[in-house]
Amino acid sequence: AQSVTQLGSHVSVSEGALVLLRCNYSSSVPPYLFWYVQYPNQGLQLLLKYTTGATLVKGINGFEAEFKKSETSFHLTKPSAHMSDAAEYFCAVSERGLTGGGNKLTFGTGTQLKVEL
Amino acid sequence: DAGVIQSPRHEVTEMGQEVTLRCKPISGHDYLFWYRQTMMRGLELLIYFNNNVPIDDSGMPEDRFSAKMPNASFSTLKIQPSEPRDSAVYFCASRYRGREQYFGPGTRLTVT
Repeated sequence: AQSVTQLGSHVSVSEGALVLLRCNYSSSVPPYLFWYVQYPNQGLQLLLKYTTGATLVKGINGFEAEFKKSETSFHLTKPSAHMSDAAEYFCAVSERGLTGGGNKLTFGTGTQLKVEL
Repeated sequence: DAGVIQSPRHEVTEMGQEVTLRCKPISGHDYLFWYRQTMMRGLELLIYFNNNVPIDDSGMPEDRFSAKMPNASFSTLKIQPSEPRDSAVYFCASRYRGREQYFGPGTRLTVT
């Protein structure tokens, strides 16, 4: 079975500082990987995803993530944090393909990002 | 497009009552997913449909929970009877084929 581990349930950074949110996955084969963001009282919004091809993936709002197969990691980064980045971030995995497990997202427990002045 | 629409946004009910949550997916999307979010268990997939047909309901916690999708533009998640441990935020999401899932704003359910 697949699983996702997000290290650090709370991360605090200063405005303008580097954002690094960690995600490690467990899967018998490289899965599809996703990062979602959830703002207060809202649903989840896709930031970026990795399915195939280039391992460095760029998403919305200046975020990017790199798939590292050898480390089974998919960490999310942003060079310079902005106050508007304060939210909860979820890493998720699914099996490859469009049938069966490929339709099911398994989410990590989330990381709450706080951005301070 | 208006996005995924869920109603109600907030529901407070007493233990033992029936609760019905509603979802309208994005037009043209052929997959619909129901999730539950709690502090203890995080985000859990309850059930998903493809072309209105339930494909996998292995995440439905027990027989008190049921979900239907009578047509491509409407789905319901029903809890009968409700219990305090059902208190959570319930999300609906839809997807077109292999593309990403789009989430609704959620329904915050409180069972007293």
